[in-house]
Amino acid sequence: QKEVEQNSGPLSVPEGAIASLNCTYSDRGSQSFFWYRQYSGKSPELIMSIYSNGDKEDGRFTAQLNKASQYVSLLIRDSQPSDSATYLCAVNPPGRRALTFGSGTRLQVQP
Amino acid sequence: EPEVTQTPSHQVTQMGQEVILRCVPISNHLYFYWYRQILGQKVEFLVSFYNNEISEKSEIFDDQFSVERPDGSNFTLKIRSTKLEDSAMYFCASSATSVTGELFFGEGSRLTVL
Repeated sequence: QKEVEQNSGPLSVPEGAIASLNCTYSDRGSQSFFWYRQYSGKSPELIMSIYSNGDKEDGRFTAQLNKASQYVSLLIRDSQPSDSATYLCAVNPPGRRALTFGSGTRLQVQP
Repeated sequence: EPEVTQTPSHQVTQMGQEVILRCVPISNHLYFYWYRQILGQKVEFLVSFYNNEISEKSEIFDDQFSVERPDGSNFTLKIRSTKLEDSAMYFCASSATSVTGELFFGEGSRLTVL
Protein backbone atom coordinates (compact mmCIF):
# COMPACT_ATOMS: atom_id res chain seq x y z
CA GLN A 1 0.00 0.00 0.00
CA LYS A 2 1.49 3.29 -1.10
CA GLU A 3 1.23 5.78 1.73
CA VAL A 4 1.71 9.42 2.49
CA GLU A 5 2.47 10.10 6.12
CA GLN A 6 2.01 13.31 8.05
CA ASN A 7 2.04 14.21 11.71
CA SER A 8 -1.57 15.00 12.57
CA GLY A 9 -0.65 17.80 14.98
CA PRO A 10 -1.87 20.20 16.06
CA LEU A 11 1.21 22.23 15.33
CA SER A 12 0.91 25.46 17.27
CA VAL A 13 3.05 28.47 16.37
CA PRO A 14 2.86 32.12 17.39
CA GLU A 15 1.86 34.75 14.87
CA GLY A 16 4.86 35.84 12.81
CA ALA A 17 6.80 32.62 13.32
CA ILE A 18 7.79 30.05 10.72
CA ALA A 19 5.60 26.96 10.55
CA SER A 20 7.27 23.80 9.27
CA LEU A 21 5.09 20.98 7.99
CA ASN A 22 6.51 17.63 6.97
CA CYS A 23 5.46 14.70 4.86
CA THR A 24 7.02 11.39 3.86
CA TYR A 25 5.91 9.10 1.07
CA SER A 26 6.55 5.45 0.35
CA ASP A 27 6.46 5.19 -3.47
CA ARG A 28 9.99 6.00 -4.52
CA GLY A 29 8.92 6.48 -8.14
CA SER A 30 6.61 9.38 -7.36
CA GLN A 31 7.40 12.50 -9.34
CA SER A 32 4.77 15.08 -8.42
CA PHE A 33 4.06 16.51 -5.00
CA PHE A 34 1.46 18.95 -3.78
CA TRP A 35 0.40 20.84 -0.70
CA TYR A 36 -3.26 21.60 -0.21
CA ARG A 37 -4.83 23.70 2.52
CA GLN A 38 -8.19 22.68 3.95
CA TYR A 39 -10.11 24.92 6.30
CA SER A 40 -12.53 23.16 8.62
CA GLY A 41 -15.63 22.08 6.72
CA LYS A 42 -14.25 23.30 3.40
CA SER A 43 -12.67 21.74 0.34
CA PRO A 44 -8.94 21.37 -0.32
CA GLU A 45 -7.23 24.30 -2.02
CA LEU A 46 -3.93 23.93 -3.87
CA ILE A 47 -1.11 25.97 -2.35
CA MET A 48 2.05 24.60 -3.89
CA SER A 49 3.27 22.01 -6.33
CA ILE A 50 6.84 20.77 -6.59
CA TYR A 51 8.40 18.37 -9.03
CA SER A 52 12.17 18.71 -8.64
CA ASN A 53 14.53 18.28 -5.72
CA GLY A 54 15.23 21.49 -3.85
CA ASP A 55 13.18 24.48 -2.81
CA LYS A 56 10.33 26.27 -4.52
CA GLU A 57 9.15 29.58 -3.13
CA ASP A 58 5.83 31.35 -3.63
CA GLY A 59 5.24 34.34 -1.43
CA ARG A 60 5.31 33.25 2.21
CA PHE A 61 5.31 29.58 1.24
CA THR A 62 8.32 27.41 0.45
CA ALA A 63 8.02 23.78 -0.58
CA GLN A 64 11.05 21.54 -0.21
CA LEU A 65 11.55 18.17 -1.86
CA ASN A 66 14.15 15.51 -1.20
CA LYS A 67 13.42 12.48 -3.36
CA ALA A 68 16.35 10.47 -1.98
CA SER A 69 14.84 10.75 1.50
CA GLN A 70 11.26 10.60 0.17
CA TYR A 71 10.49 13.74 2.08
CA VAL A 72 8.45 16.84 1.29
CA SER A 73 8.03 19.85 3.50
CA LEU A 74 6.17 23.14 3.52
CA LEU A 75 7.46 26.22 5.29
CA ILE A 76 5.12 29.10 6.03
CA ARG A 77 6.93 32.30 6.91
CA ASP A 78 5.37 35.11 8.94
CA SER A 79 2.49 32.83 9.95
CA GLN A 80 -0.88 34.53 10.31
CA PRO A 81 -3.98 33.40 12.23
CA SER A 82 -5.65 33.02 8.82
CA ASP A 83 -3.13 30.27 8.06
CA SER A 84 -4.77 28.11 10.73
CA ALA A 85 -6.03 25.11 8.78
CA THR A 86 -5.20 21.51 7.99
CA TYR A 87 -2.40 21.12 5.45
CA LEU A 88 -2.63 18.08 3.21
CA CYS A 89 0.36 16.58 1.49
CA ALA A 90 -0.54 14.82 -1.76
CA VAL A 91 1.55 12.66 -4.04
CA ASN A 92 0.96 11.55 -7.60
CA PRO A 93 2.20 7.97 -7.98
CA PRO A 94 3.93 7.30 -11.30
CA GLY A 95 1.65 6.60 -14.21
CA ARG A 96 -1.51 7.35 -12.29
CA ARG A 97 -4.04 10.15 -12.32
CA ALA A 98 -5.04 9.63 -8.71
CA LEU A 99 -3.61 11.69 -5.91
CA THR A 100 -2.74 9.95 -2.66
CA PHE A 101 -3.37 12.28 0.24
CA GLY A 102 -1.89 12.25 3.69
CA SER A 103 -4.14 12.62 6.68
CA GLY A 104 -3.06 16.22 7.10
CA THR A 105 -1.36 18.33 9.76
CA ARG A 106 -3.53 20.78 11.67
CA LEU A 107 -1.79 24.13 12.07
CA GLN A 108 -2.85 26.61 14.73
CA VAL A 109 -1.37 30.11 14.57
CA GLN A 110 -1.77 31.86 17.89
CA PRO A 111 -2.38 35.65 17.74
CA GLU B 1 -12.92 33.69 -10.69
CA PRO B 2 -14.04 30.40 -12.27
CA GLU B 3 -15.04 27.72 -9.82
CA VAL B 4 -16.29 24.16 -9.61
CA THR B 5 -19.87 24.06 -8.38
CA GLN B 6 -21.55 21.10 -6.72
CA THR B 7 -25.13 20.29 -5.87
CA PRO B 8 -26.66 19.44 -3.51
CA SER B 9 -24.56 20.77 -0.67
CA HIS B 10 -26.14 18.22 1.68
CA GLN B 11 -28.28 15.20 0.98
CA VAL B 12 -29.84 12.84 3.48
CA THR B 13 -31.01 9.50 2.16
CA GLN B 14 -32.16 6.12 3.37
CA MET B 15 -29.93 3.10 3.01
CA GLY B 16 -30.55 1.37 -0.31
CA GLN B 17 -31.70 4.49 -2.13
CA GLU B 18 -30.05 5.89 -5.24
CA VAL B 19 -28.25 9.21 -5.05
CA ILE B 20 -26.96 11.47 -7.80
CA LEU B 21 -24.40 14.13 -6.99
CA ARG B 22 -23.89 16.84 -9.56
CA CYS B 23 -20.90 18.94 -10.49
CA VAL B 24 -20.23 21.69 -12.98
CA PRO B 25 -16.47 21.78 -13.62
CA ILE B 26 -14.62 24.89 -14.72
CA SER B 27 -15.62 25.44 -18.32
CA ASN B 28 -12.29 24.99 -20.12
CA HIS B 29 -11.12 22.08 -17.98
CA LEU B 30 -10.77 18.67 -19.56
CA TYR B 31 -10.07 16.33 -16.63
CA PHE B 32 -12.65 15.57 -13.98
CA TYR B 33 -12.44 13.74 -10.70
CA TRP B 34 -14.46 12.58 -7.74
CA TYR B 35 -12.86 12.28 -4.34
CA ARG B 36 -14.48 11.59 -1.00
CA GLN B 37 -13.64 12.33 2.61
CA ILE B 38 -15.24 10.42 5.43
CA LEU B 39 -15.48 12.65 8.51
CA GLY B 40 -12.11 12.92 10.21
CA GLN B 41 -10.35 10.81 7.60
CA LYS B 42 -8.17 11.26 4.52
CA VAL B 43 -9.30 12.55 1.18
CA GLU B 44 -9.64 9.46 -1.03
CA PHE B 45 -9.63 9.18 -4.80
CA LEU B 46 -12.66 7.60 -6.44
CA VAL B 47 -12.47 8.13 -10.19
CA SER B 48 -11.01 10.25 -12.95
CA PHE B 49 -12.75 11.03 -16.24
CA TYR B 50 -11.34 12.33 -19.50
CA ASN B 51 -12.62 12.45 -23.05
CA ASN B 52 -15.97 11.02 -22.00
CA GLU B 53 -14.61 7.94 -20.35
CA ILE B 54 -13.21 6.76 -17.06
CA SER B 55 -9.43 6.99 -17.14
CA GLU B 56 -8.79 5.56 -13.70
CA LYS B 57 -10.78 4.32 -10.72
CA SER B 58 -9.97 3.20 -7.21
CA GLU B 59 -10.97 0.06 -5.34
CA ILE B 60 -13.69 2.11 -3.65
CA PHE B 61 -15.34 2.80 -7.00
CA ASP B 62 -17.16 -0.52 -7.30
CA ASP B 63 -20.23 -1.49 -9.28
CA GLN B 64 -22.56 0.63 -7.18
CA PHE B 65 -20.84 3.79 -8.43
CA SER B 66 -21.04 5.32 -11.88
CA VAL B 67 -20.10 8.63 -13.46
CA GLU B 68 -21.52 10.42 -16.43
CA ARG B 69 -21.10 13.62 -18.36
CA PRO B 70 -24.63 13.90 -19.75
CA ASP B 71 -24.06 17.23 -21.49
CA GLY B 72 -21.28 19.71 -22.07
CA SER B 73 -21.27 21.08 -18.55
CA ASN B 74 -22.44 18.61 -15.91
CA PHE B 75 -20.46 15.76 -14.41
CA THR B 76 -22.41 13.40 -12.16
CA LEU B 77 -21.66 10.70 -9.64
CA LYS B 78 -24.38 8.11 -9.08
CA ILE B 79 -24.49 5.76 -6.13
CA ARG B 80 -27.06 3.07 -6.95
CA SER B 81 -27.82 1.54 -3.58
CA THR B 82 -26.39 3.58 -0.76
CA LYS B 83 -24.84 2.00 2.31
CA LEU B 84 -24.23 3.51 5.72
CA GLU B 85 -20.50 3.60 4.98
CA ASP B 86 -21.10 5.81 1.94
CA SER B 87 -21.74 8.70 4.31
CA ALA B 88 -19.01 11.20 3.48
CA MET B 89 -18.22 14.50 1.84
CA TYR B 90 -17.91 14.00 -1.90
CA PHE B 91 -15.68 16.44 -3.74
CA CYS B 92 -15.69 17.04 -7.46
CA ALA B 93 -12.48 18.42 -8.92
CA SER B 94 -11.30 19.47 -12.33
CA SER B 95 -8.03 20.23 -14.01
CA ALA B 96 -7.13 22.11 -17.18
CA THR B 97 -4.08 20.06 -17.97
CA SER B 98 -2.68 16.61 -17.69
CA VAL B 99 -0.71 17.75 -14.64
CA THR B 100 -2.76 15.45 -12.53
CA GLY B 101 -2.26 16.91 -9.11
CA GLU B 102 -3.13 20.55 -9.77
CA LEU B 103 -6.82 20.28 -9.03
CA PHE B 104 -9.58 22.77 -8.40
CA PHE B 105 -12.07 21.34 -5.93
CA GLY B 106 -15.73 22.15 -5.53
CA GLU B 107 -17.16 22.89 -2.10
CA GLY B 108 -18.41 19.33 -1.75
CA SER B 109 -21.66 17.47 -1.31
CA ARG B 110 -22.23 16.01 2.12
CA LEU B 111 -24.04 12.67 1.90
CA THR B 112 -25.67 11.25 5.00
CA VAL B 113 -27.04 7.72 4.72
CA LEU B 114 -29.46 6.67 7.45
